[in-house]
Parts: sequence; structure tokens; C-alpha cells
Amino acid sequence: NAGVTQTPKFRVLKTGQSMTLLCAQDMNHEYMYWYRQDPGMGLRLIHYSVGEGTTAKGEVPDGYNVSRLKKQNFLLGLESAAPSQTSVYFCASSYGGKGANVLTFGAGSRLTVL
Amino acid sequence: KQEVTQIPAALSVPEGENLVLNCSFTDSAIYNLQWFRQDPGKGLTSLLLIQSSQREQTSGRLNASLDKSSGRSTLYIAASQPGDSATYLCAVKEDGNKLVFGAGTILRVKS
Repeated sequence: NAGVTQTPKFRVLKTGQSMTLLCAQDMNHEYMYWYRQDPGMGLRLIHYSVGEGTTAKGEVPDGYNVSRLKKQNFLLGLESAAPSQTSVYFCASSYGGKGANVLTFGAGSRLTVL
Repeated sequence: KQEVTQIPAALSVPEGENLVLNCSFTDSAIYNLQWFRQDPGKGLTSLLLIQSSQREQTSGRLNASLDKSSGRSTLYIAASQPGDSATYLCAVKEDGNKLVFGAGTILRVKS
């Protein structure tokens, strides 16, 4: 029962470096999401996907790119990291649909940009 | 734009006390509302989900209510325990299967 797995759990980057966060789910969920969590601001949606091969922008998409080449994986990329992207990133997945839509979250990836 | 507010931001209570956490949202056009628990350094765990047509949901010592017309939800925790210490977040689901989160209430239950 792995659920949602995020890698890496921790990463320190220098400004301008690039990196990719990987999210993998083994529940055959259609929908996947990337959120960031900052102190006092709750979780904000970066990008999401409603199925393999699809992506859509969330509330704070600038500076990030995503890909959903396989149903079980959702990648979040930072092309040129900035200190403002220091945050804890959470991936989530769900079956989708407009009804009950309980999300399953990963444990988070803490990113620090110096 | 939907905004979700949680009051109080932090709460400290003695063990055994009943308590209420509040969540308010500005746009009543929601599909459902969820309450989550987050332990330090961990992800979020869904506690209760209330559909927009429902008034409340219960799970053990937890009871969540929803008043969609007034844009409010409460999470009631009965007979609190130190193990209930965590951050509690509420989130509303809008069109497009997106959740909008509140900033959370940090709960500490003292033994």
C-alpha cells in the first residue's frame, strides 16, 4: 500500500538551478495535483492533471512545468529555481469526478532555494 | 475568487475538553467541503467529507457540519486527546475538481 510517493523528500538548490520532483501513485487514480504549502497560507494549487497526457494550470503556475506521460506519474519541474520557490510541495491524487473526491496526499518534498 | 478562512489560527486546550474549529468560505458554489489533518512533517489525511447537499458528517469523536448558504463549516472534536494535536485544514471543492484550502488551525491538546 504505497499510495502516493514523492521523491526527493528534501532538496537544496542554488538560484537558477533546475530540478524535477517526481510523484508516483499506485491507486489507478485519474486525477493528480501539485500543491505548495507556505507558512500561514495553506496549500495552493500549482498544476493538475485530469488524466494521462493532460495538464492544466492551477492558482500559482508561474515558474513551474509539469508532465503526465504515464497515468501513475506526475512530474513537477523547476527550470530556473528562485528563492520564492522555497516551500513544501505536496502531490495528491484522486479518482476524480464531480462527486466525492477524497484526495490522497504524499508526504511532501521540502525544497530550499538559496 | 474563492477564499477560505480558518479561525482560530492556533488553539491550546487541556485533555478531555470538547472543542470547535471554524472554517468559512466566500463563494457558496461548492461541490463539497473536506476536513484534513496534518501532522508535523507529514502529508494530509482526509478526516471528513461533506457533500454540498449534506448538513453534517460524523466519524468517531469528530463531527463536521456545513451551512452552505452562510459559507460556514465547523469541526467538532469531542473529549480531546493529546493524540489529536495536529494542524487541521478545511478545503472546498470547486468546479474543475480543484480544492481551495484554508491556512489551517494548529491544535495542541495538553495532557
